[in-house]
Amino acid sequence: DTGVSQDPRHKITKRGQNVTFRCDPISEHNRLYWYRQTLGQGPEFLTYFQNEAQLEKSRLLSDRFSAERPKGSFSTLEIQRTEQGDSAMYLCASSPPLGPASEAFFGQGTRLTVV
Amino acid sequence: AQSVTQLDSHVSVSEGTPVLLRCNYSSSYSPSLFWYVQHPNKGLQLLLKYTSAATLVKGINGFEAEFKKSETSFHLTKPSAHMSDAAEYFCVVTKGPGKLIFGQGTTLQVKP
Repeated sequence: DTGVSQDPRHKITKRGQNVTFRCDPISEHNRLYWYRQTLGQGPEFLTYFQNEAQLEKSRLLSDRFSAERPKGSFSTLEIQRTEQGDSAMYLCASSPPLGPASEAFFGQGTRLTVV
Repeated sequence: AQSVTQLDSHVSVSEGTPVLLRCNYSSSYSPSLFWYVQHPNKGLQLLLKYTSAATLVKGINGFEAEFKKSETSFHLTKPSAHMSDAAEYFCVVTKGPGKLIFGQGTTLQVKP
C-alpha cells in the first residue's frame, strides 16, 4: 500500500493519559499535515511540516499537543493529559512539492476516544 | 480571509437524478478550490480541483464543478446519481501552501 498510513486506527484512553499517533506519508511527499475532525464537522487544520520543519501551527494546537517530523519522513502527534474534548478523528495528509495547488492525500485517520 | 460555505447540510436525491451540492467561497485572491468526498470508514478522497485554468472542472466518477467568480461559487454537479455516491462531501479552499480550509460538509443521500 503506497498511500498515507496512520497508526493506530482507533485509540481509547482515560482522561489524563498521554497518547501518541503516527503518520507515514507517501514516500516522495515532503509536505505533511495534521487535521482534526469532530463529529458532523469538516476537518480543521492543526499543523504543517515541510520536510522536518514545522512551518505552521493552528491556535487549536494547545500546549498539550506536540507534533514532530524528525527526519522529514514519518510524523508523530502527541497529546498530553488528554481531555474529553480531545475525542475526535485525527487525520494526516501529505502532498508533493508545491505546484499551483497541491493535492493532499489523506490517511484513514486515528479515531481517539477519551473516557 | 479564505473560507467556504456549503449551503446545504443534507441533500437527498433519487438514483438516476441530477446531483447539485452548493458551495460559496470567500477569498482575498484568486483561490484554489477543491471538492473532497468521505465515505464511511474511508479516507478523504479528492474529487476535483480548480487552479485558475478552465472554469469547468471535471473530476472522478462523473462529477464536475464550475468556478463562477461573479457569484463566488463552486458548485458540484453530477448528471445522474448512483447509490455509491452516498457520502459526505466537502468544499475546500487553500490558504497558503500548507493549509486547507474545509466547509462544514454536505451529506448526500441517494434513494433507490
